[in-house]
Amino acid sequence: EDKVVQSPLSLVVHEGDTVTLNCSYEVTNFRSLLWYKQEKKAPTFLFMLTSSGIEKKSGRLSSILDKKELFSILNITATQTGDSAIYLCAVRAGGFKTIFGAGTRLFVKA
Amino acid sequence: NAGVMQNPRHLVRRRGQEARLRCSPMKGHSHVYWYRQLPEEGLKFMVYLQKENIIDESGMPKERFSAEFPKEGPSILRIQQVVRGDSAAYFCASSPGTEFYEQYFGPGTRLTVT
Repeated sequence: EDKVVQSPLSLVVHEGDTVTLNCSYEVTNFRSLLWYKQEKKAPTFLFMLTSSGIEKKSGRLSSILDKKELFSILNITATQTGDSAIYLCAVRAGGFKTIFGAGTRLFVKA
Repeated sequence: NAGVMQNPRHLVRRRGQEARLRCSPMKGHSHVYWYRQLPEEGLKFMVYLQKENIIDESGMPKERFSAEFPKEGPSILRIQQVVRGDSAAYFCASSPGTEFYEQYFGPGTRLTVT
């Protein structure tokens, strides 16, 4: 069965810290891996990764995919309280289905 | 360009009633996905539709749940004879294509069954 596993499930850090969120997957016919940020509403898109070893970067956030070891990481540097959210990892497999992990709940303390 | 619209945002139903959730995709998007999110859990895929066609409903419960995306109008997720376990947030997402296109999410409908 296709699955996406995220770790840690929750994380509390102080402003200014750097965090690394993990996502591992086992799916049939991998197509792409996506990261979303979810606050108290709809998930908002962060990154889509399709190729191994190519880092995607947006401001203080970056992400990379390892298709050999079947995982991805999401890094956030110099965290701010506004980064507090649930970070969701999702894998597109077989064209139609998108499998989401349970999410990592990040809380950044001032 | 308006984003994905969902209504209602909050819906309260008594056990045994019907719930209808609506989703209008972004302009130009013909692919719609429905997800359910239970408290403290991730999003679970339910169904993927294109205009007038159900493409993949492997995540839908076999009974009481149905979905449609008519030629005109929004996509509808219908839950008949709701039970307490149906209480969840239901999100709709749309995309212009499959596989290598990101999905844009609506704000969700929070269904509470009393």
